[in-house]
Amino acid sequence: AQTVTQSQPEMSVQEAETVTLSCTYDTSESDYYLFWYKQPPSRQMILVIRQEAYKQQNATENRFSVNFQKAAKSFSLKISDSQLGDAAMYFCAYRGSGNTPLVFGKGTRLSVIA
Amino acid sequence: EPEVTQTPSHQVTQMGQEVILRCVPISNHLYFYWYRQILGQKVEFLVSFYNNEISEKSEIFDDQFSVERPDGSNFTLKIRSTKLEDSAMYFCASSARTQRGETQYFGPGTRLLVL
Repeated sequence: AQTVTQSQPEMSVQEAETVTLSCTYDTSESDYYLFWYKQPPSRQMILVIRQEAYKQQNATENRFSVNFQKAAKSFSLKISDSQLGDAAMYFCAYRGSGNTPLVFGKGTRLSVIA
Repeated sequence: EPEVTQTPSHQVTQMGQEVILRCVPISNHLYFYWYRQILGQKVEFLVSFYNNEISEKSEIFDDQFSVERPDGSNFTLKIRSTKLEDSAMYFCASSARTQRGETQYFGPGTRLLVL
């Protein structure tokens, strides 16, 4: 079974600085998808970024980028120019090929310090 | 921008009562999911639904749970006889159908409290 591990229960970053959240996963599949979801205090799940395993290029969405290391099964999220609104719980998630369910990590709580 | 909606946003019920959580997926999506998040824990998959039938379910999704798509827009999760441990945030998600799969978009969740 696939597993997703987020080894940092909590992280903090100064406003305008850069922070990297770690995620590793375990799978025997070659075709899969990886996601980062943000969960603010409202508890809604908001998609931040996604990466297809067959793509070598790291995904980027504005201030958010990933470092996808397929051989190492690592998928970290970098947030640049951190803003107060970035404070939230961040979940890394894995999905195999097809419309299969998401497997989530335990999350990293990010605090942004003004 | 299209979004998944869920009602109610909050539900308080007595143990043993039946609850129905409702979701309206994004209109052109064909795959539907329910996930659960107990407070302070990670999000867990419950069930997926495609072509009017369950395509996959987890061990959490026992006989107390059922899902239905009663019409062309709604997707419901029913818990027949709620237990204290059913207290959680319940998320509905939907995705489109492509050959390579598609991103799952989540609704805002229903916070269920069983007393």
